[in-house]
Amino acid sequence: ETGVTQTPRHLVMGMTNKKSLKCEQHLGHNAMYWYKQSAKKPLELMFVYSLEERVENNSVPSRFSPECPNSSHLFLHLHTLQPEDSALYLCASSQRPGKAFFGQGTRLTVV
Amino acid sequence: GQQVMQIPQYQHVQEGEDFTTYCNSSTTLSNIQWYKQRPGGHPVFLIQLVKSGEVKKQKRLTFQFGEAKKNSSLHITATQTTDVGTYFCAGPGGGADGLTFGKGTHLIIQP
Repeated sequence: ETGVTQTPRHLVMGMTNKKSLKCEQHLGHNAMYWYKQSAKKPLELMFVYSLEERVENNSVPSRFSPECPNSSHLFLHLHTLQPEDSALYLCASSQRPGKAFFGQGTRLTVV
Repeated sequence: GQQVMQIPQYQHVQEGEDFTTYCNSSTTLSNIQWYKQRPGGHPVFLIQLVKSGEVKKQKRLTFQFGEAKKNSSLHITATQTTDVGTYFCAGPGGGADGLTFGKGTHLIIQP
C-alpha cells in the first residue's frame, strides 16, 4: 500500500473513446502529479497540481485534460487518443518540495 | 531545459558482483533523488541527497552527490536477486515542482 491509489489498473480504449483515469492520495500531501512512462522515453512529467492549482505543461497535447477537484483527488481525462499514447500513466503526490510517492499506475493501451 | 542523463542503460551482473549507476545533470541541482522500480511495479523512493559531496548508505547501497552538485552515483555491493529492477535518478526542475528523471539503469542479475 503506497498511500496513492490509481484506478483502473489497466485500460484498453479506442481512438474515438473518452475515458478518465483516477488518482487518490491518502497522505495529506499538497501536490499531485501525472507522469507518463513509455518504453522509449524516461518518466515524463505531464501535469502538476500544487495546492489544487494547476501548473501548465505546454508540451502535453490537449487530448489529455487534468482535473483536481480537491487536494486528495486527481483525474486525467482522455479523448481521441492516438496509439502512441499507449503507456503506463503514473500518479504521484508529495509534500512540496519533498519526495514523490507513486501510485501503481494505469497501463493504457490505445487501439 | 534541464536534462538528466543516466548510464548505463542496462547492466548485467552475476549475483554477488557489485553494480554502479551514474547520473549527470546539465544544470546544478539543489538536490537529487533516487528511485527503484521493480519489474511490473511503480517507482519507489530510495533516498534524497542535498549537500555537496554528500555520501549516504543504506545497507549495501551507497549514494554519492558530486561536489559540483551536477552528478550522482548509486553503488550496490554484492548484488542479490532482490536488487533486480530499474534505478532512476531525478532532480527538481521538471517544471514547477515536478521532477526530471533520468532514463534509468536496468539491473539484471544472473544467478
